[in-house]
Amino acid sequence: GQQLNQSPQSMFIQEGEDVSMNCTSSSIFNTWLWYKQDPGEGPVLLIALYKAGELTSNGRLTAQFGITRKDSFLNISASIPSDVGIYFCAGPYPTGKLIFGQGTTLQVKP
Amino acid sequence: DTEVTQTPKHLVMGMTNKKSLKCEQHMGHRAMYWYKQKAKKPPELMFVYSYEKLSINESVPSRFSPECPNSSLLNLHLHALQPEDSALYLCASSQEWSNQETQYFGPGTRLLVL
Repeated sequence: GQQLNQSPQSMFIQEGEDVSMNCTSSSIFNTWLWYKQDPGEGPVLLIALYKAGELTSNGRLTAQFGITRKDSFLNISASIPSDVGIYFCAGPYPTGKLIFGQGTTLQVKP
Repeated sequence: DTEVTQTPKHLVMGMTNKKSLKCEQHMGHRAMYWYKQKAKKPPELMFVYSYEKLSINESVPSRFSPECPNSSLLNLHLHALQPEDSALYLCASSQEWSNQETQYFGPGTRLLVL
């Protein structure tokens, strides 16, 4: 099916380190969304981006909507153990169907 | 408030059982969705309801039957499921069904088919 290219697939980092992950697409998106999912739970919205070039922060999280509208990145600064989980980027197609990246699994070593 | 609720949290059913999953939102959203998610994979869209009408069916087998009784509720009726249908079933909602709307997810129902 249709997917966004999300990387890296997984990360294992030390507590306190910064994290960066990104998503790219061959198609233009009008909205980029970043979700975090804990095991057995639903995805929780972290940041929503609506404008090309937009840079938005939510606490230690920062995300940017690429100027070409074909990419986005998410940074997490000073990681803590509760940052563990799977992070998904997503964007809605013109039909409204939400397309997801394959996810980045983050593990944080205390 | 951006809460979507789902019941039950967990469900175990046999292949001959009939059960229903329920989803509710009180954000005034007019689009509601059902997704299926396998472990370590992204959610896969099953159905979209817009203004209480079925707008998208992603070629889902008829053993899954969605229903939208009103603008706040979404059900998924299950009948004669297969073991491979075991997954996390997620409900989501958005203000409208468009390419600029943010979707908010519920906590999911973990389904096990024996």
